[in-house]
Order: sequence, then structure tokens, then C-alpha cells
Amino acid sequence: QQQVKQSPQSLIVQKGGISIINCAYENTAFDYFPWYQQFPGKGPALLIAIRPDVSEKKEGRFTISFNKSAKQFSLHIMDSQPGDSATYFCAARGTSGSRLTFGEGTQLTVNP
Amino acid sequence: DTAVSQTPKYLVTQMGNDKSIKCEQNLGHDTMYWYKQDSKKFLKIMFSYNNKELIINETVPNRFSPKSPDKAHLNLHINSLELGDSAVYFCASSQRLVGGAGDGYTFGSGTRLTVV
Repeated sequence: QQQVKQSPQSLIVQKGGISIINCAYENTAFDYFPWYQQFPGKGPALLIAIRPDVSEKKEGRFTISFNKSAKQFSLHIMDSQPGDSATYFCAARGTSGSRLTFGEGTQLTVNP
Repeated sequence: DTAVSQTPKYLVTQMGNDKSIKCEQNLGHDTMYWYKQDSKKFLKIMFSYNNKELIINETVPNRFSPKSPDKAHLNLHINSLELGDSAVYFCASSQRLVGGAGDGYTFGSGTRLTVV
């Protein structure tokens, strides 16, 4: 059972453009929604995270938008750079414990 | 100083062999995990230990056995390796706070296992 659905599977953006990755979840008990960035040969690294009591969180060029009623959240990368090319994972965690459920991942390519 | 370190980074072995992957974290976290990442990059949890106690044991063949000698170490032993076990295995750790809340995971760099 896939509790966190992520789209698109792959995304190609020109340098300077905006990259948008979307996630939808089913479990209303989820209370923590992080995004991870993974470069080839490396482990996923925490990029930015949000809790459901706010609708948006911004850190530099990265913004999470959160829609609790629609059970959706998205990552926006402003002024995308070739160095942002990586695989991005959304995730969600329930209140009952610390298990993270990951989305399927999005392969982002930013062309120079 | 690496926060979550796994060894080995690469592991190539024949079908039927038994192998182990080691993981150590120096973050003082009390929860550790093993995740499997398949060829499509999907991350699937296998096991979780909290302070040496097994708390998550997903539907994983019993050929996979985790062992946690202390809360800073979580090793993964795999018996009778099969072709389908080929994947990247990630160790991770996190700190569980009061009430079940917690911060994000810190992942190791992964162990690429290839079974031939």
C-alpha cells in the first residue's frame, strides 16, 4: 500500500526555472512532512520539512507548500541550478512513531 | 567525522553466500533503521531498532537478520543471498522525542550489494 504518492517521476528544467514536485498522502495521522535530496552514490539528505500547522515553509530557494484539506504538499525550487540535479523524495511520518514513509522519488535534471 | 557510516560501500558476492553490512552512528540518536533502495530508487523500510529493541520488522525474508549490539550500531546479516537481493541498502538514524515526535533521519552513504 503506497501511502505517499509522488509526481512527476522525472522532471527536466532549464537553469533559472522553477521546479515543482508534488506529493499526496492518505493517512490523516501524518504530522511531519520532510523532503530529501539524493545525489548519485550518496544517501538521502534532509532538505526541508514542514508540519501541518503551517501552509508554507521557505528556506532559501526551496519552499514547501502544504494543503491539509487536500492532503497534498509540494516542493518548489526557485531559480533552479544544474547543481540541484538529483533525486528528490517526499516523505511523511505518523504520530504513532518515527517511521518515515517515502514517495517514489523524482529525478530532477536542470539543464545549463 | 561521518555521522552515519556503513561498511562496506560495495559488496559483490555469489548467490548462496552469507554477508553482513555494518552501520555505526555517532549522533547519539536512539533509533536506527535499515532501508532498501531498489533499481527504481524506491526506498522501503526493512527494520527499525530503538535503543537496541526491534520496533519495526517489515515483511522481509527471514534470511535478513538485524543485530544491534548497542544503540550506536545496527548491523544487517543476510543469509543465502539471492539475485533479487541486489540493491542499495541504507542505514539511517533519528532521535525520537517525547510524544513520538522526532526530527528527520540522517542516512549513511549506502552499501551497493550485487549478487551474481
